[in-house]
Amino acid sequence: GAVVSQHPSRVICKSGTSVKIECRSLDFQATTMFWYRQFPKQSLMLMATSNEGSKATYEQGVEKDKFLINHASLTLSTLTVTSAHPEDSSFYICSARPSGGTDTQYFGPGTRLTVL
Amino acid sequence: GQSLEQPSEVTAVEGAIVQINCTYQTSGFYGLSWYQQHDGGAPTFLSYNALDGLEETGRFSSFLSRSDSYGYLLLQELQMKDSASYFCAVTNQAGTALIFGKGTTLSVSS
Repeated sequence: GAVVSQHPSRVICKSGTSVKIECRSLDFQATTMFWYRQFPKQSLMLMATSNEGSKATYEQGVEKDKFLINHASLTLSTLTVTSAHPEDSSFYICSARPSGGTDTQYFGPGTRLTVL
Repeated sequence: GQSLEQPSEVTAVEGAIVQINCTYQTSGFYGLSWYQQHDGGAPTFLSYNALDGLEETGRFSSFLSRSDSYGYLLLQELQMKDSASYFCAVTNQAGTALIFGKGTTLSVSS
């Protein structure tokens, strides 16, 4: 089946530092990847749509200069949280949609970010 | 705006059948998906409906009525491990992101 990995699975950092999260599709190519954020006991909220070779599309209210997204290849998208603050602490989940096929999206295992 | 409504909580006993309903109001509609999420984990895909009718996958079935903007997830022969949050999600155009409902917490007791 389609497998998506994320790294790291868990990160704790100091306020003001930057954190990079990687999302990889392991056995398929993904032209499009999506980044979601989930706060405790809440639903998943879309942050941005990442397209290989082009700029990401951000949802309203998501700061593009704070959440930098790079989709350099058909199997890798990265999300960098710049100058992280405690309110950025959350569960960040990526999903990938296989290129040219089903509309199903496959989720990574998520990255739990804690900013102290 | 866009919204998906589903019950916040459902409780049941092992072996029972539960139905989790989802109604949606979105700017477009391409398909309805269902995901399962255990505490601390990522969502796991359960089923997808693009056309009206019932899709069956083992103990889980999903139904869609496009004219009613309504769908449901049916879980049969409930097991303790089915205790989790269940999300309905809509894609309003092919290839776009999922719009998630707020989730239904299912608690299965013995």
